Amino acid sequence: KNQVEQSPQSLIILEGKNCTLQCNYTVSPFSNLRWYKQDTGRGPVSLTIMTFSENTKSNGRYTATLDADTKQSSLHITASQLSDSASYICVVTNTQRNAGNNRKLIWGLGTSLAVNP
Amino acid sequence: DSGVTQTPKHLITATGQRVTLRCSPRSGDLSVYWYQQSLDQGLQFLIQYYNGEERAKGNILERFSAQQFPDLHSELNLSSLELGDSALYFCASSPRGAGGFTDTQYFGPGTRLTVL
Repeated sequence: KNQVEQSPQSLIILEGKNCTLQCNYTVSPFSNLRWYKQDTGRGPVSLTIMTFSENTKSNGRYTATLDADTKQSSLHITASQLSDSASYICVVTNTQRNAGNNRKLIWGLGTSLAVNP
Repeated sequence: DSGVTQTPKHLITATGQRVTLRCSPRSGDLSVYWYQQSLDQGLQFLIQYYNGEERAKGNILERFSAQQFPDLHSELNLSSLELGDSALYFCASSPRGAGGFTDTQYFGPGTRLTVL
């Protein structure tokens, strides 16, 4: 079954500290993996997108890694800021289509990050 | 601001009713995606349209339908509404969307649907 699991479910850190969020997936065949940031009540905003051949991708203080062999990804946030408080969602796309033309984006439930002063 | 607009922002209706949610993609984007976000289920991909044609389907119920018009705006129609349909409905757009979903998707602010 195609699944995306994220850990931890929630995390509280102090402003200025670093943190790492984890994403494990069982999606096959794999097309790409994305990390999104979602502020409460707002639409997700894309942080990174990685395909099979990419190991690392950075976007400012956000660095995503991908190990396609172990089917694991991480999102590292450096020097956290209060504005980093949000839900971080891992999304994996599989390329397989079935007879109903279904291609799936499988969304994780997210890690809720709170950055405290 | 992502450039994707959704109306209405809030919608309250009763079970059994039908509603239409509207989405205008970013200027120049050809693909529109619809998502449902319930409190306990995270985001669920419903359906994608590319330049007016259905491109991919996710977990969309038969009571739900969507279409993309020649001006590229899209509508999501929800009928025979049930309490469990209460959720945030997001629309996203991307420049292309053909094959592999490798485009970055830009999300609108969402429509919060409450079914009483």
